[in-house]
Amino acid sequence: GESVGLHLPTLSVQEGDNSIINCAYSNSASDYFIWYKQESGKGPQFIIDIRSNMDKRQGQRVTVLLNKTVKHLSLQIAATQPGDSAVYFCAENFSSGSARQLTFGSGTQLTVLP
Amino acid sequence: NAGVTQTPKFRVLKTGQSMTLLCAQDMNHEYMYWYRQDPGMGLRLIHYSVGEGTTAKGEVPDGYNVSRLKKQNFLLGLESAAPSQTSVYFCASSEAGAVTEAFFGQGTRLTVV
Repeated sequence: GESVGLHLPTLSVQEGDNSIINCAYSNSASDYFIWYKQESGKGPQFIIDIRSNMDKRQGQRVTVLLNKTVKHLSLQIAATQPGDSAVYFCAENFSSGSARQLTFGSGTQLTVLP
Repeated sequence: NAGVTQTPKFRVLKTGQSMTLLCAQDMNHEYMYWYRQDPGMGLRLIHYSVGEGTTAKGEVPDGYNVSRLKKQNFLLGLESAAPSQTSVYFCASSEAGAVTEAFFGQGTRLTVV
C-alpha cells in the first residue's frame, strides 16, 4: 500500500463519533482555504472550502472553522464513518506575484475504528 | 469525465536516466501544477503554469523542468534522475482566479534506484 501516511499525525475515532482535524497555516495573506481528502492510492479530493472573510462553513456532515487571529483551521466530521478513513490536508491559497499558489499542510491520517 | 490524467502510473528509473511525466486535463483550466508527495511532508509544489506557454518555479524546482506547449498538457521532466527524486508525483489543474479548487490526478509513483 501507500507509504504516504506512515509519518503523519494520526487521529483514531470510533465509528459514529465526531472527528476534529486541526491545521495551522502560515501565510497571513492567504484568503482562501481548502480541505482535501486523500484515500490510499488516490489523488487528493476536494471536501470543503472557506474564504477568509468567513469564520465557519458547513457542508454535508462536514464543517470548517477558520480562526484568522491564530491562523488556525479545523475540519469537523459528524458521525464519522469507515469511508472517512483517509489522510486529510488543509491548503491555503494566496497571491504570489501575478499568480495564485496553493500550499498544503503535512496532513493528518484519520482512522475510523469499528 | 476524465478530469486530470497522469501517465505513467508507475515507473522505475536508474540513477542518471531521464524521463517525462505527462499530465492532461480536459476541463479547459488555465492553471496547472506539479506536486511531489513524500512521507510526512504533505504535497510540495515543484512547478506551476498559469497559462499556455508559461511556467514558474514552486517550492522545490531543482532537478525538474516543465513545459506547457498546449493548454491541456503540462509535462514534468527529469533530466538526470536521482534517488532523492523517488516520490509520488501529482498533477493538478484549476481555473484562474482567487477562489478556486484544484483537481488532482491519480498520481505517478516514481522510484529511482
